[in-house]
Amino acid sequence: EVQLVESGGGLIQPGGSLRLSCAVSGFTVSGHYMSWVRQAPGQGLECVSFIYTDATTYYADSVKGRFVMSRDNSKNTLYLQMNSLRAEDTAAYYCARRIGINFDFWGQGTLVTVSS
Amino acid sequence: QSALTQPASVSGSPGQSITISCTGTSSDVGGYNYVSWYQQHPGKAPKLVIYDVTNRPSEVSIRFSGSKSGNTASLTISGLQAEDEADYYCNSYTSSSTQVVFGGGTRLTVL
Repeated sequence: EVQLVESGGGLIQPGGSLRLSCAVSGFTVSGHYMSWVRQAPGQGLECVSFIYTDATTYYADSVKGRFVMSRDNSKNTLYLQMNSLRAEDTAAYYCARRIGINFDFWGQGTLVTVSS
Repeated sequence: QSALTQPASVSGSPGQSITISCTGTSSDVGGYNYVSWYQQHPGKAPKLVIYDVTNRPSEVSIRFSGSKSGNTASLTISGLQAEDEADYYCNSYTSSSTQVVFGGGTRLTVL
């Protein structure tokens, strides 16, 4: 059974840092494209980053230079290091497996709130 | 990269059919046969219901279908059921750094 379980969200002050994790079971993260997709409260979806099988990463302009996506193959886990957080980064963050532009498996999400 | 344009809301009665549109440009929806649709119930993660414009995952009801004409993709749900009430999002390939752009979402209400 495929499962993606995010953790690490919480309340953080503007300018702070947070690291999200996504533990995956049922397939290997190293063998698939993986993404982080966020959803601000009451808003739509935004793909903020993805990682290729060769570990090359890409980022949305809104987070470029502040967020870093990585993976640990031995733990079959994805990470999203988020630095210099802003109020507009407040959102539910989902990890998802990506086939082309299709996101076929999703985690349950972890909520990040950036507020003083 | 601007979001794809979806109607904010649509509604229909049980048993009826509805169609949700997703309008982009020749740089995204119109330029590639890579459009997918997601269903999201409140407080839940999105679920893929259509991929590559017209294809349906095996576990998704045959009542869901997709199509595209020019720069506009469409999701049709036939035989509406109460469980179909949810938010629906489209996405498409695009030339942005993350290679995907989402629509703003459509709230489907089953009357």
